[in-house]
Amino acid sequence: NAGVMQNPRHLVRRRGQEARLRCSPMKGHSHVYWYRQLPEEGLKFMVYLQKENIIDESGMPKERFSAEFPKEGPSILRIQQVVRGDSAAYFCASSPGTDSMNTEAFFGQGTRLTVV
Amino acid sequence: SQQGEEDPQALSIQEGENATMNCSYKTSINNLQWYRQNSGRGLVHLILIRSNEREKHSGRLRVTLDTSKKSSSLLITASRAADTASYFCATVGTGGGNKLTFGTGTQLKVEL
Repeated sequence: NAGVMQNPRHLVRRRGQEARLRCSPMKGHSHVYWYRQLPEEGLKFMVYLQKENIIDESGMPKERFSAEFPKEGPSILRIQQVVRGDSAAYFCASSPGTDSMNTEAFFGQGTRLTVV
Repeated sequence: SQQGEEDPQALSIQEGENATMNCSYKTSINNLQWYRQNSGRGLVHLILIRSNEREKHSGRLRVTLDTSKKSSSLLITASRAADTASYFCATVGTGGGNKLTFGTGTQLKVEL
C-alpha cells in the first residue's frame, strides 16, 4: 500500500506563473488536507477536502489559491500568479474518515516550491 | 501566540540521555499528536493521545497529556543520534474533521 504521493517534489516557478501541486492519497482514504510550511516554522493548515467537496478552506488565502479533489484523480493545489512569498514546502495528508478520536493523518514528502 | 507552542525551541543532548519536549495549546481538543520531521523531509507520525487519556507509551516514547493545563510532553528515553530531527505537536479540535493545528516545533540534536 503506497503512502501519500506528492509530485513534483521540487518546483521552480517565475513570479507570475502558475504552480500546480498534486497529491494522491493513500488507498482507501477519502479525506485530503493541505498544509504549508515556511522555513523554520511549523505547518499551517490550508484546506480540507473530501471527494468533490471542499469542507474547510479557512486557512487558504482568498486570492490566487484554489484546491480540488475530483471524483477521479489526485487532489490539486493551484497557485496562480505566484509571488516570492509563496515559496514554501506544501504538504498533503490523507486520512480514511472523520473519526477524530482515533485517526492519524499520513503525510506525503511534500512539494518544495521556489519562486524566482 | 499561536495554538500549539513547543518548549524548548531547540535542545541539544548527548546520546543516551533523555529528551523532554513540552507543548501547550489553547482550545478544546479531541486528540493531540506528535510528529517528527527530518531536515527537508516529510512528517512521520509518532504517537496519538486522546483527550480522555493521560499517558501513553510507544517504544522509547512516552507522552503525557494534561487537559486542565492544556499541555503535553514528549519524552524520548535513551536518545540516539538518529533521533536528531524537529518534533512537532499537533492538535485535532472538537469542531469535526481531522484538521491538525501544529505547534512551532522543537529542534532536537543528539550528539555522539
